[in-house]
Amino acid sequence: DAGITQSPRHKVTETGTPVTLRCHQTENHRYMYWYRQDPGHGLRLIHYSYGVKDTDKGEVSDGYSVSRSKTEDFLLTLESATSSQTSVYFCAISGRVGGTNYEQYFGPGTRLTVT
Amino acid sequence: AQSVTQLDSHVSVSEGTPVLLRCNYSSSYSPSLFWYVQHPNKGLQLLLKYTSAATLVKGINGFEAEFKKSETSFHLTKPSAHMSDAAEYFCVVIPISGGYNKLIFGAGTRLAVHP
Repeated sequence: DAGITQSPRHKVTETGTPVTLRCHQTENHRYMYWYRQDPGHGLRLIHYSYGVKDTDKGEVSDGYSVSRSKTEDFLLTLESATSSQTSVYFCAISGRVGGTNYEQYFGPGTRLTVT
Repeated sequence: AQSVTQLDSHVSVSEGTPVLLRCNYSSSYSPSLFWYVQHPNKGLQLLLKYTSAATLVKGINGFEAEFKKSETSFHLTKPSAHMSDAAEYFCVVIPISGGYNKLIFGAGTRLAVHP
């Protein structure tokens, strides 16, 4: 995961405040994803992007929005954080030049706590 | 709908003994299947993948998995466990509907390795 960074790595915020998480890649992969990880649920897809300014919803997209203005950056925004959004958030990428779209490579994660 | 079931939430083995982590999938078509590993406070790392080629798939760190269509299984094995194998393991399927980019994760199996 050396080519994928997430910031911040840890954040504590209060209910009702906006929060933005950033994913940055240096691998020039076409696709980028945001997941959340909760005990007993594995990872669940929030949103993904298939190109600059092209995004789509995943299975748990309510309460989240995303933006991708550059190939290397994918932002996840919680417009008004709730306690149910306390989780670990992972960014992933796929679709390297010359490869397949199947394998996804994950960042180190961001631990978000909403109090 | 496609789904993945990891049959054990926790597995405990002694160092040097075989490892078996069980995964069953549900799919109307021949799926693509993966195993990922997550060490504590780390992102997910791809262990191995099955994409309709050989049914016995070899991965990193001595792990392998066998795709058995008749049993709808994709169990992960390793002949001899090492202390560094202690981690959480996720079985993953790519659904046919909804786009090939969307992975469906099992709930995970936590592997403990004792001296």
